[in-house]
Amino acid sequence: EVQLVESGGGQVKPGGSLRLSCSASGFTFSDYNINWVRQAPGKGLEWVSSISSVGTYTYYADSVSGRFTISRDNVKNSVFLQMNSLRAEDTAVYFCARDRYSSGWNFDVWGQGTLVAVSS
Amino acid sequence: QTVVTQEPSLTVSPGGTVTLTCASSTGAVTRDFYPSWFQQKPGQAPKALIYNTKFTHSWTPARFSGSLLGGKAALTLSRVQPEDEADYYCLLYFDGAQRKVFGSGTKVTVL
Repeated sequence: EVQLVESGGGQVKPGGSLRLSCSASGFTFSDYNINWVRQAPGKGLEWVSSISSVGTYTYYADSVSGRFTISRDNVKNSVFLQMNSLRAEDTAVYFCARDRYSSGWNFDVWGQGTLVAVSS
Repeated sequence: QTVVTQEPSLTVSPGGTVTLTCASSTGAVTRDFYPSWFQQKPGQAPKALIYNTKFTHSWTPARFSGSLLGGKAALTLSRVQPEDEADYYCLLYFDGAQRKVFGSGTKVTVL
């Protein structure tokens, strides 16, 4: 079964740091880009960051650029999101999801998400 | 800042048809934006329905279809079922896939 599982969420104070993990199984991990997408309580989806299949390229939304760092370990089939200088507005459920280009971009499988709460 | 806009809410009767649209502040949406559509029910992760404008996943019910309509991406739900009540989001790719932007979301009510 193709699966993505997030972990590492929790409560943190403003200015603090947190590291999220996304663990993959059931597919050839190194064939896919991995994205982080977040959803603030009661709000819509926001793309946060993505990393290419072998980690060569990383991209970030303006709202997190300079504070968040995405990385991956293709031996451990995992992607990580290091979040620094956290703000209240970073409070959200964070999902990881895969995509790849095959005659067009295909963004298909999502994890169940992990909750990050930034509060004093 | 790029904004992708959807109808905030739509209501449809069971068995009816409804079309959701996805517009970009940068101009007309074309195939080169690789529009995707996702369904999200309360408390659940989003589920992919459509990719690359009109292609369906193996799990996508046949009543869901994607297209381009008047400079926007579109998702059409035909023969709507009660279980189709959900939030729907589009996703567009920008700058050679260096940026991805989700639409504002449409809440579909089946009534």
